[in-house]
Amino acid sequence: DAGITQSPRYKITETGRQVTLMCHQTWSHSYMFWYRQDLGHGLRLIYYSAAADITDKGEVPDGYVVSRSKTENFPLTLESATRSQTSVYFCASSESKVTTNEKLFFGSGTQLSVL
Amino acid sequence: GIQVEQSPPDLILQEGANSTLRCNFSDSVNNLQWFHQNPWGQLINLFYIPSGTKQNGRLSATTVATERYSLLYISSSQTTDSGVYFCAVEGGNKLTFGTGTQLKVEL
Repeated sequence: DAGITQSPRYKITETGRQVTLMCHQTWSHSYMFWYRQDLGHGLRLIYYSAAADITDKGEVPDGYVVSRSKTENFPLTLESATRSQTSVYFCASSESKVTTNEKLFFGSGTQLSVL
Repeated sequence: GIQVEQSPPDLILQEGANSTLRCNFSDSVNNLQWFHQNPWGQLINLFYIPSGTKQNGRLSATTVATERYSLLYISSSQTTDSGVYFCAVEGGNKLTFGTGTQLKVEL
C-alpha cells in the first residue's frame, strides 16, 4: 500500500527556472492538496483539487500552477522560480471534503531550494 | 479567514512527564485535526476531533467546540514524541493550520 508519494525528495534550482513537483496517491481519494511549510507560518494551502480537472486556489497561489488530468496525480509547477519559493512542499489527500469527517493524509514532502 | 493559535510555541519535557497542548480557533468549525510532524518531517494524522474526547494510547484529545478550543494531552512522554504538533481546523472547505508546538522530550 504505497499511499501518497512525492518526488523529488530534494530539489535545488535557480531563479527563473521552471520546476515541477510530483504527487501520486494510490487510494483513489477525490481531494488533493498542496501546502508549503515555512518557519513561523505553519502550513499554508497553495492549491487544492476536488476531482480530476477541478482545481481551486488556496491561501498562497501566486507563482504556482496545478493540473489534475488523472485522479491519482496532482503535479505542482513553479513557472519561474523565485527565492521566496524556497520551502518544504507537502502534498496531501482526503477521501472527500474536509468539511465532512475525513482525515487528511500527507506525503513525505519535497524540500525545494531556489538559489 | 479563520484564525488558529497554538500554545505553547515550544516545550521541553523530561521523559515520563505529562503535557497539555492547546489550540484556540476563531470561529465554529466542522472539522478539527491534530497532526504530529516527526523530526524527519513526516506529518502523521493523530486525531479527527471536531468535538468531544478521543484517546489513542498515551495520547488523548478534547475539543470544546462551543468555547472554540482543543487540547492534546500527552502522558508518560517518550523521546519518540518529539517533533511539532499542529492543530488544523476547517474553514471554507479547507484546513487552516496553526503554527504548531515544538516539543522536545529529553532523557
